[in-house]
Amino acid sequence: GAGVSQSPRYKVAKRGQDVALRCDPISGHVSLFWYQQALGQGPEFLTYFQNEAQLDKSGLPSDRFFAERPEGSVSTLKIQRTQQEDSAVYLCASSFAGTSGRQTQYFGPGTRLLVL
Amino acid sequence: AQSVTQLDSQVPVFEEAPVELRCNYSSSVSVYLFWYVQYPNQGLQLLLKYLSGSTLVESINGFEAEFNKSQTSFHLRKPSVHISDTAEYFCAVSYSGAGSYQLTFGKGTKLSVIP
Repeated sequence: GAGVSQSPRYKVAKRGQDVALRCDPISGHVSLFWYQQALGQGPEFLTYFQNEAQLDKSGLPSDRFFAERPEGSVSTLKIQRTQQEDSAVYLCASSFAGTSGRQTQYFGPGTRLLVL
Repeated sequence: AQSVTQLDSQVPVFEEAPVELRCNYSSSVSVYLFWYVQYPNQGLQLLLKYLSGSTLVESINGFEAEFNKSQTSFHLRKPSVHISDTAEYFCAVSYSGAGSYQLTFGKGTKLSVIP
């Protein structure tokens, strides 16, 4: 079946521009995660949704970052007034159910954001 | 705070030679451990995982990892590597309790298989 998809795959933004990154999780997956992967680093947790509810946004680096999942399926990560330090790969992952750490997270290909 | 250490950022190895990629995590009562692989321009793919039971877990393509609670390690091994194993490998951990869904990743190890 189809995996997690993300769009766009690449985004170049001028500093100060707003961007929106889209994630389509695997159909039927309740949980959705966003991670940020800086160059040469491992992914770092940003936020977590269970259905449409954002249960954890503790990893969002500033109030310029905003995520939503209004219908419990597709999610959008929005970054306002982008800064150079926002340049990274943004990864979306989904899992079948629940909040257990036992659940396997399935990752999308990521969106590579470059802020000039 | 939880942490995962992958000491080797790059590991070159000749084709058909054995390899070990090291992973250590900060101690906790109960952990779940994962190895993900990332091929160029692709997303992270689960390679194998330890949830409970047998401490030795295997993947379908010949990798194995052993959970060692006393040494807080989960090293990844393969007895004979192929060119197609060239990729970046990430060790990750989740912990039981509040916020257990969060995966904490190491910085990754780039495996380069030399023909």
